[in-house]
Amino acid sequence: QVQLQQSGPGLVKPSQTLSLTCAISGDSVSSNSAAWNWIRQSPSRGLEWLGRTYYRSKWYNDYAVSVKSRITINPDTSKNQFSLQLNSVTPEDTAVYYCASQGCSGGSCSFGYWGQGTLVTVSS
Amino acid sequence: EIVMTQSPATLSVSPGERATLSCRASQSVSSNLAWYQQKPGQAPRLLIYGASTRATGIPARFSGSGSGTEFTLTISSLQSEDFAVYYCQQYNNWPLYTFGQGTKLEIK
Repeated sequence: QVQLQQSGPGLVKPSQTLSLTCAISGDSVSSNSAAWNWIRQSPSRGLEWLGRTYYRSKWYNDYAVSVKSRITINPDTSKNQFSLQLNSVTPEDTAVYYCASQGCSGGSCSFGYWGQGTLVTVSS
Repeated sequence: EIVMTQSPATLSVSPGERATLSCRASQSVSSNLAWYQQKPGQAPRLLIYGASTRATGIPARFSGSGSGTEFTLTISSLQSEDFAVYYCQQYNNWPLYTFGQGTKLEIK
């Protein structure tokens, strides 16, 4: 059973960087048959997939077009976790952010496990 | 981007009755569709994947059907804990994963 535990600040100032971490138990961030995602949810945008990182003999990342210029998702193998950084945030980035796992070697699979969610508010 | 459209936005059903939720994709997603349940203050929970396969631990009263562009989630006999918001999600056009806007299932 995979468990995902999120951490990070709930308040970020406009133009600054949003940073969240997702600690994994029950699986490895370096698994060849899993992928590690960030998804956010807001009343205006609904559920929005942001990006993912995964290991298939080397590390790969996929990002949503809407945030591609501002997002970085990094694995941390020493701590078995992965992180989200979203730069130059605006109030439109206010949302509940979730980490979520996919349990397949390709990309054609659902999000089987989710973190508890972190409400991030962008405000001065 | 594949747009997922769910209907109705809100569904009012009495406990013990059947609920039928619909999801339509703007183009074919084959059977690469999942359903999630979300309760207030909680993360979404995977119910169905592959359009019709129940995830681990999901009761048999939940069933999914469809392929291509038309999908249905049926809850055969509603229990009190089933009143929540339900989302469909396509993963055919990966990694451009997209979700529907949700159907709120409320007690009639």
